[in-house]
Amino acid sequence: NAGVTQTPKFQVLKTGQSMTLQCAQDMNHNSMYWYRQDPGMGLRLIYYSASEGTTDKGEVPNGYNVSRLNKREFSLRLESAAPSQTSVYFCASRGQGSYGYTFGSGTRLTVV
Amino acid sequence: GQQLNQSPQSMFIQEGEDVSMNCTSSSIFNTWLWYKQEPGEGPVLLIALYKAGELTSNGRLTAQFGITRKDSFLNISASIPSDVGIYFCAGPPSGSARQLTFGSGTQLTVLP
Repeated sequence: NAGVTQTPKFQVLKTGQSMTLQCAQDMNHNSMYWYRQDPGMGLRLIYYSASEGTTDKGEVPNGYNVSRLNKREFSLRLESAAPSQTSVYFCASRGQGSYGYTFGSGTRLTVV
Repeated sequence: GQQLNQSPQSMFIQEGEDVSMNCTSSSIFNTWLWYKQEPGEGPVLLIALYKAGELTSNGRLTAQFGITRKDSFLNISASIPSDVGIYFCAGPPSGSARQLTFGSGTQLTVLP
């Protein structure tokens, strides 16, 4: 009963470096999401994928790209990391007909 | 985008006390969700509300869907140390069943 698995849990990047955050779910959910969490700002949607083969921008997409590799996996890529992207990143998935998201445990990213 | 305003931002209470927090929106929501996030983890769904006026309980937690459909309330009775965490309200923006907007959260600290 893994649910949503995110890797890595922690990462430190230098400004300008690139990296990909990985997310996989084993609940056969159609929809997957990437959020970032910053102090006092709640969770803000970066990108989402309503179904395999589709992706859409959320509230704060600039500086990010995503790939819905298959139904299970949804990755988030930072092409050129900036200090403003220091945050905790959460992946989530949602089953059809449900509003209840299942979240991963997060990736804490620091860009120096 | 639509915003959810949560209050208070933080609360310090004594063990055994009751807690109330609320969430308001400038626009109508058709669903209200309440999540809890413990340190180092992703948010976990506590209660989902689907109808104006609805009152739903989950153990010591009770949530209400405001009759104006622009607000929701969460009460915790007889708080215990494990209630510590951040509580988020969330809801789908009108016309979009595919996304959730989150409030900025209420940080709850329970003092022994």
